[in-house]
Amino acid sequence: SQTIHQWPATLVQPVGSPLSLECTVEGTSNPNLYWYRQAAGRGLQLLFYSVGIGQISSEVPQNLSASRPQDRQFILSSKKLLLSDSGFYLCAWSPTGVGQPQHFGDGTRLSIL
Amino acid sequence: QKEVEQDPGPLSVPEGAIVSLNCTYSNSAFQYFMWYRQYSRKGPELLMYTYSSGNKEDGRFTAQVDKSSKYISLFIRDSQPSDSATYLCAMSEGDTGRRALTFGSGTRLQVQP
Repeated sequence: SQTIHQWPATLVQPVGSPLSLECTVEGTSNPNLYWYRQAAGRGLQLLFYSVGIGQISSEVPQNLSASRPQDRQFILSSKKLLLSDSGFYLCAWSPTGVGQPQHFGDGTRLSIL
Repeated sequence: QKEVEQDPGPLSVPEGAIVSLNCTYSNSAFQYFMWYRQYSRKGPELLMYTYSSGNKEDGRFTAQVDKSSKYISLFIRDSQPSDSATYLCAMSEGDTGRRALTFGSGTRLQVQP
């Protein structure tokens, strides 16, 4: 069966520091991968998605970037964190194909001080 | 107007009650409809996945889609305290690999023992 791992679960970082969040998927090949941010009491906002190695699409302009160095690895990064980057970050995957549902990891709660 | 509207709740019901959760949407191109359950500090977990209009049942859960009214519902029978969570509806036009799911903001459900 397929599993998705996301770490760390919680992270506290100072303003201006760099960020690297990692997500890996097991049990499938060539998944579509996604990074979302979820604000309290609000829905999920898609940040990036990827349909293959090195292929990244950005949904919203921001202080973050994403990379996919391997088929089942997705990384969310920032060079200098802002206070507004605080939030709950979720990685998800879906099989390729029309209308496939997405499956989420357990998220990283990021606090910027 | 948001593409997907969902009452944030909280919705409080006694154990054993039938729960009805709903979403309305404005985009007539949505074809795939999903319900996710999210416990506090966890990622969303896929509960139900349907295509186009109709009903789908899985144990205590029933999903209904009425595309003519742009309205979807999730029914939970014999609700349990363990059902207490936030329920998110999500929908897609088609290939979720290239177009993200559009989420409602979630309804918080509390089942009182």
